[in-house]
Amino acid sequence: DGGITQSPKYLFRKEGQNVTLSCEQNLNHDAMYWYRQDPGQGLRLIYYSQIVNDFQKGDIAEGYSVSREKKESFPLTVTSAQKNPTAFYLCASSIDREVDEQFFGPGTRLTVL
Amino acid sequence: ELKVEQNPLFLSMQEGKNYTIYCNYSTTSDRLYWYRQDPGKSLESLFVLLSNGAVKQEGRLMASLDTKARLSTLHITAAVHDLSATYFCAGEYGNKLVFGAGTILRVKS
Repeated sequence: DGGITQSPKYLFRKEGQNVTLSCEQNLNHDAMYWYRQDPGQGLRLIYYSQIVNDFQKGDIAEGYSVSREKKESFPLTVTSAQKNPTAFYLCASSIDREVDEQFFGPGTRLTVL
Repeated sequence: ELKVEQNPLFLSMQEGKNYTIYCNYSTTSDRLYWYRQDPGKSLESLFVLLSNGAVKQEGRLMASLDTKARLSTLHITAAVHDLSATYFCAGEYGNKLVFGAGTILRVKS
């Protein structure tokens, strides 16, 4: 089955730790995206990548980092510089570098203890 | 910069009733997307509206787009409990999607 997977589903982090969220897709999509969702709010774009080895900052990139070494993988690292990282993180992909319908993974819920 | 506003933000409705969710956007957007999110779950794509006057229907949901008015609507016909969810619209800006805040829909029996 084609789709987007994210792991882990739940993640707990102590303050001051970096954590990495995984996002993998087997849809052969060129573009991938990371969003953050806070309770009762819409999605805000963190980073996006339109092709391998290239990525751009979104609206709230501070305290986050990404890599895109393979087409199917777009991991997100939440660094200790992110002051309020507790949120629901969603990864998405779309067919190509032009904005197209985005398909979302199941999400990772990150809680800072 | 594109801003997307949805209203209402919360909608409680009786089963069998009709209602409309509105999505206004601030500047030109070639395409408009509607998504559904169940509590604690990911987003599911409902509709992609590609051009002015586009209308799409799926079951009890119908979406339309008026690019001149910069308005999209999601109309719910004869609501049922299974439609309870949060609905998001999103417009294109550059090569990104900009999401509205979402409309929480609760259908009461």
